[in-house]
Amino acid sequence: AQSVAQPEDQVNVAEGNPLTVKCTYSVSGNPYLFWYVQYPNRGLQFLLKYITGDNLVKGSYGFEAEFNKSQTSFHLKKPSALVSDSALYFCAVRDGNNAGNMLTFGGGTRLMVKP
Amino acid sequence: GAVVSQHPSWVICKSGTSVKIECRSLDFQATTMFWYRQFPKQSLMLMATSNEGSKATYEQGVEKDKFLINHASLTLSTLTVTSAHPEDSSFYICSARDQGRNNSPLHFGNGTRLTVT
Repeated sequence: AQSVAQPEDQVNVAEGNPLTVKCTYSVSGNPYLFWYVQYPNRGLQFLLKYITGDNLVKGSYGFEAEFNKSQTSFHLKKPSALVSDSALYFCAVRDGNNAGNMLTFGGGTRLMVKP
Repeated sequence: GAVVSQHPSWVICKSGTSVKIECRSLDFQATTMFWYRQFPKQSLMLMATSNEGSKATYEQGVEKDKFLINHASLTLSTLTVTSAHPEDSSFYICSARDQGRNNSPLHFGNGTRLTVT
């Protein structure tokens, strides 16, 4: 079984400040980790992924995430938040050893960036 | 980049009628597509896995006869909500992975907001 936890329902940050959205996971095989963003009444947009290699992954719109195997975490970060970053963010995991493609999503974290 | 097109983006229907939602991969092929349902302020719930040329695999608790899935080609999957009821009102999202690219992420459609009156 695989699972994802996003402990914060909402994260508030002032524009220009750094932001972190937390994610921890559990998977029996190799973790393939993803971050997606969802704007109101829209589908999900892919931000970044970790499959293998460098633990620090850079993605779209200036976001990055750090894979920490010992802490089973994959926190999303951005050095300087923008008001337009306000959205719903989902962390997801897939078992890389499993041939299936199913992703398991966290509950989502709403990011509010205030001017 | 890979694009998944979902249609319609919103639909309002009367209770008892059926609604079909289409999910197309525009520039890649997908033997497998996924259908999710999202309730307000909640995460995505996987409803079923759509397999090209064969029967869909439904998650526990999802009614097969109510949510009919057809995956007739490598670029099209459809979800039909039959005999819709107000409790079926929700946001439905499909996704697909480019089978021609290793470790490709899932790409999502923009979703369909269904309102049953």
